[in-house]
Amino acid sequence: QITLNESGPTVVNPTQTLTLTCNFSGFSLITNGVGVGWVRQRPGKALEWLALIYWDNDRRYSPSLRSRLTIIKDTSKNQVVLTMTGMDPVDAGTYFCVHRVPGGGPDWNEAIFDYWGQGTLVTVS
Amino acid sequence: DIQMTQSPSILSASVGDRVTITCRASQSISDWLAWYQQYPGKAPKLLIYKASTLASGSPSRFSGYGSGTEFTLTISSLQPDDFATYYCQQYNSYSTFGQGTKLEVK
Repeated sequence: QITLNESGPTVVNPTQTLTLTCNFSGFSLITNGVGVGWVRQRPGKALEWLALIYWDNDRRYSPSLRSRLTIIKDTSKNQVVLTMTGMDPVDAGTYFCVHRVPGGGPDWNEAIFDYWGQGTLVTVS
Repeated sequence: DIQMTQSPSILSASVGDRVTITCRASQSISDWLAWYQQYPGKAPKLLIYKASTLASGSPSRFSGYGSGTEFTLTISSLQPDDFATYYCQQYNSYSTFGQGTKLEVK
């Protein structure tokens, strides 16, 4: 059974860096084709894909946020970590860790997500 | 960026109704379109992908249709569990989601 669980600060100060951790189980990030990413949901806004990391350490980012994001993995801990620099109040919302459907998309920038964490709420203040 | 526009934003219906939600893409996305269902305070759940393929565990009363720029999600006979918010997502070029359609009890 695949599960993902996000953790991180509930409040960050403006201009600070947000660091979120996703602990997952039920699959391995060394298996060919596997990808884990992040999606956020801000109040009044559409869901927004942020970043993906693949089993081979290939990393993909939303073009609009690329300069602020870094995603890394620790396969020994079954963890994925997302950092977002320069936090602003408009970045407040719920951040979800997601599992990419294997082969789900025409290329590696594209993905659909079959498993989601419960989400972690981030306030910027 | 490919923009996704859903309509209506809110849909009022009753148990047993047949309902349809529309999603339009700002440019052609072939059939790289997914639909998600979300309850308040919960994570979205994948319902349909590749425009019309039911995800594992999705009830057969859900169906998707479309290609190019216009897509629909239809629920053939509304059940109490179906009152939720529905999102479309294009994954032809990166990924963008629609603003959502809230399906509420009439």
